[in-house]
Amino acid sequence: AQKITQTQPGMFVQEKEAVTLDCTYDTSDPSYGLFWYKQPSSGEMIFLIYQGSYDQQNATEGRYSLNFQKARKSANLVISASQLGDSAMYFCAMRRTGNQFYFGTGTSLTVIP
Amino acid sequence: GAVVSQHPSRVICKSGTSVKIECRSLDFQATTMFWYRQFPKQSLMLMATSNEGSKATYEQGVEKDKFLINHASLTLSTLTVTSAHPEDSSFYICSARAQGAGSTEAFFGQGTRLTVV
Repeated sequence: AQKITQTQPGMFVQEKEAVTLDCTYDTSDPSYGLFWYKQPSSGEMIFLIYQGSYDQQNATEGRYSLNFQKARKSANLVISASQLGDSAMYFCAMRRTGNQFYFGTGTSLTVIP
Repeated sequence: GAVVSQHPSRVICKSGTSVKIECRSLDFQATTMFWYRQFPKQSLMLMATSNEGSKATYEQGVEKDKFLINHASLTLSTLTVTSAHPEDSSFYICSARAQGAGSTEAFFGQGTRLTVV
């Protein structure tokens, strides 16, 4: 069975500072994709960043970077230069070969002015 | 980018009635769509995989007779919550992946907040 673990139910960060949101996963699939989504209070799921299991380099998308450590099965999200608009729920997810997504329990991030 | 449209965004219904939620891929064909359920302050849980032209595949513990899924075309999947009860109140969200797409994102609908009174 696949399992995504986010151990930080809530995080606070000062505006303009960097923050790391933790994610570990467990799977027996040889190939998989790891994603981070942002969910504001409106409920929509906003794609942030993707890392393929065979990708050699860590993914980066603007202020978002993914610290992928395959041997440790971790895929932490780093948000640099936090902004007030970054306050939201953040979900780590794994996509299996059948395209189903399995989500972690989420981390609520609050950016403090 | 590709867009998935979900309708309605909010619905309130009486206990015992049925509610239909639509998920449309607006600018791409999706042979497979997925339905998720999210309780307040909890994660998204996969309910079922909707396959165009065939029966949906339900996750363990999801009642297929209660959550009817129809995927009649390559751009539309519907989820019908039958004989809804207050415990069915939740946020339902669909996703789809374009055919032939690369390994990046799936596209999510805006979600439907169902309240059963």
